[in-house]
Amino acid sequence: GAVVSQHPSWVICKSGTSVKIECRSLDFQATTMFWYRQFPKQSLMLMATSNEGSKATYEQGVEKDKFLINHASLTLSTLTVTSAHPEDSSFYICSARDEGTFEAFFGQGTRLTVV
Amino acid sequence: AQSVAQPEDQVNVAEGNPLTVKCTYSVSGNPYLFWYVQYPNRGLQFLLKYITGDNLVKGSYGFEAEFNKSQTSFHLKKPSALVSDSALYFCAVRFAGKSTFGDGTTLTVKP
Repeated sequence: GAVVSQHPSWVICKSGTSVKIECRSLDFQATTMFWYRQFPKQSLMLMATSNEGSKATYEQGVEKDKFLINHASLTLSTLTVTSAHPEDSSFYICSARDEGTFEAFFGQGTRLTVV
Repeated sequence: AQSVAQPEDQVNVAEGNPLTVKCTYSVSGNPYLFWYVQYPNRGLQFLLKYITGDNLVKGSYGFEAEFNKSQTSFHLKKPSALVSDSALYFCAVRFAGKSTFGDGTTLTVKP
């Protein structure tokens, strides 16, 4: 199956700093990528839909200035958590949709811990 | 609005026994339905999907699911569970380009 690579797998940062998470589709082009947040023992919460070449679409309640999304190419989307705070600590997962098969492939996730 | 319900937080089965993880959905049109599995601190792995056609869908690792339109259900099944099947399972519905996930069901298969 198609592969989506997410990097880094885990990151620890200090409060007030920014963290960038990358999501790459390795063997297919993804016009659309999705960013999710998952709290312990909870489901995935869609944060935003990343569209190549245009602005991301954010879900209600998600601060677009805090969670910056860039989808500059058909294989790469980035999520930058700006001025991170401990409450931003979470598991972030990206997915990329293969428009030909309707399947969404997920990255391995990024465990962010803000101290 | 679309929604997905996984009524069981936890399913426990003995190895070798059949397993079922339940999922019901609510959507205004014809949905795409998916099952994913998640291992600790990992992303989701695709198991199977229903788009159209045969109501019984076969997927990875011996899993299958049956789409039942009248009951709006898409239960995940496996004839003989393995200890290695122990994980967190998510049902998802996609409609109008947006995916909604259930809350997940933790499957534990005991030797």
